[in-house]
Amino acid sequence: KAGVTQTPRYLIKTRGQQVTLSCSPISGHRSVSWYQQTPGQGLQFLFEYFSETQRNKGNFPGRFSGRQFSNSRSEMNVSTLELGDSALYLCASSRTSGAAGTDTQYFGPGTRLTVL
Amino acid sequence: AQSVTQLDSQVPVFEEAPVELRCNYSSSVSVYLFWYVQYPNQGLQLLLKYLSGSTLVKGINGFEAEFNKSQTSFHLRKPSVHISDTAEYFCAVSNTGGFKTIFGAGTRLFVKA
Repeated sequence: KAGVTQTPRYLIKTRGQQVTLSCSPISGHRSVSWYQQTPGQGLQFLFEYFSETQRNKGNFPGRFSGRQFSNSRSEMNVSTLELGDSALYLCASSRTSGAAGTDTQYFGPGTRLTVL
Repeated sequence: AQSVTQLDSQVPVFEEAPVELRCNYSSSVSVYLFWYVQYPNQGLQLLLKYLSGSTLVKGINGFEAEFNKSQTSFHLRKPSVHISDTAEYFCAVSNTGGFKTIFGAGTRLFVKA
C-alpha cells in the first residue's frame, strides 16, 4: 500500500511569488491535514480537509489556503510569499475526519520550501 | 487552550542504555496523547498513542509511555536504545473532539556508540 506522497519535495521561490504544494493521501483515506514545520515555531497545524470541506483551520493568515478534490488529493497554496514562509510543509492523511483523534495520521515526507 | 512542553531539547545517551523523554501537557478537557518520531529528511511516524484505558501504552520499536493524569505527563521510555533510534521525537496532544493536534518543540535523541 503506497504511503502519503507529496510533490514537489523541494522548491525555491522568491518573495512575492505564490506556490502550490500537492499531497496524495493513502488510498481510502478521506482526511488530509497540513502542517508547517520551522526551527523557530516547530510543528504548527494549518488546516484539515475531509470530503472536500475544510473542517478546521489553524492560526495562519489568509495567504495560506487549500482545497481537496473528489479523489481526496489535496493542494495547499501560499500567495505573496514571505521569507518567513520558508519551512517544511507536511501533510498527513487518515481514514476519517477528526484526524487527531482515534484514527492514526500517516505523514508524508514533506515539501521543503525555501523563499529567497 | 492546550499546550505541550517537552522538557529536554536534546538527550544524548549511550547505546544499550535506557532513555526517558519527558513531556508535560496542559488542557482543560480530556485529551488524546501521542508520540511521533521524525528521522532526517522524513515525515513523522506514530510511535504510540493514548486514547483511554490502561495508562501504560506500548508502541513500536520497543518504546512505551505512561499517561499520568495527576502530573499531566506522558513520558516516553525505552529500556535499551540503539544507534538507529537517533532521531527527533515529538509529543503531541489533541482534545477528544479531534481535528487539531498541538505538537511539542521536539527532543533530539542522540545515541552514541
